Amino acid sequence: EAEVAQSPRYKITEKSQAVAFWCDPISGHATLYWYRQILGQGPELLVQFQDESVVDDSQLPKDRFSAERLKGVDSTLKIQPAELGDSAMYLCASSLSGRTPYGYTFGSGTRLTVV
Amino acid sequence: QKEVEQNSGPLSVPEGAIASLNCTYSDRVSQSFFWYRQYSGKSPELIMSIYSNGDKEDGRFTAQLNKASQYVSLLIRDSQPSDSATYLCAARNTDKLIFGTGTRLQVFP
Repeated sequence: EAEVAQSPRYKITEKSQAVAFWCDPISGHATLYWYRQILGQGPELLVQFQDESVVDDSQLPKDRFSAERLKGVDSTLKIQPAELGDSAMYLCASSLSGRTPYGYTFGSGTRLTVV
Repeated sequence: QKEVEQNSGPLSVPEGAIASLNCTYSDRVSQSFFWYRQYSGKSPELIMSIYSNGDKEDGRFTAQLNKASQYVSLLIRDSQPSDSATYLCAARNTDKLIFGTGTRLQVFP
C-alpha cells in the first residue's frame, strides 16, 4: 500500500536552533499538505502545495518557518530559530489533487520537542 | 463559531456498548466530512467519509450526516478497548481539510 514517508520520526532540538523535516508524498500526488498538531488539539494547516507552487500558506509563521517543494515531489519544512511553542507533531499528507472529494492519508509524522 | 467543533471528552463507555461521537460545523465548510482515528503518539488514520445526508455503515462504524442541523456523528457498535483513541472530525473547505479538536474515547473492560 502506498504511503506518505516522513523523517525524522522524532526530533529534539534546543531553542533558537534550526530544524528541518522531510516528506515524500504518495507517487503521483500533486497536492501536498503540512499540518501542525499541538498536543490536545486538532491538526492545523501550515502550508499547501500544488505541484511546486504554494497554494495556501496563510497560517505559516513566515518569520521563522519556510517550506519548499522544488521539483513538485518531496518537500522540506524548516524552522529557524525554533521556539518552545513549536513543540508539536508535524504531519504531512498528500492527495491526487486539491479538488479530490476524498480524505487524504497522513504520513507517520515528526514529533518535535524544543528544549 | 469555529468551522468544525467537537467535545474534547473524554467519553467513557463500557466494552460492548455503542459509542456516539458528535461534530458540528459551520457554513464555511462544504458537504464532505471525514472521521479520523488517532492513537496516542501516532498520526491520524482515515476511517470513514460521508458526503450525503443520512447514514453510511462500514463494519462496526456508522457515520451520520444531518445537513439541516449541521452535525456529523460517528457511532461505534460493540466498542472494544482497542477503540480507545482520539477521534477527529474533519470537513472540506475548498481544497483542504479543516479539523476539529478531537474527542477522546475510552472503552473500559
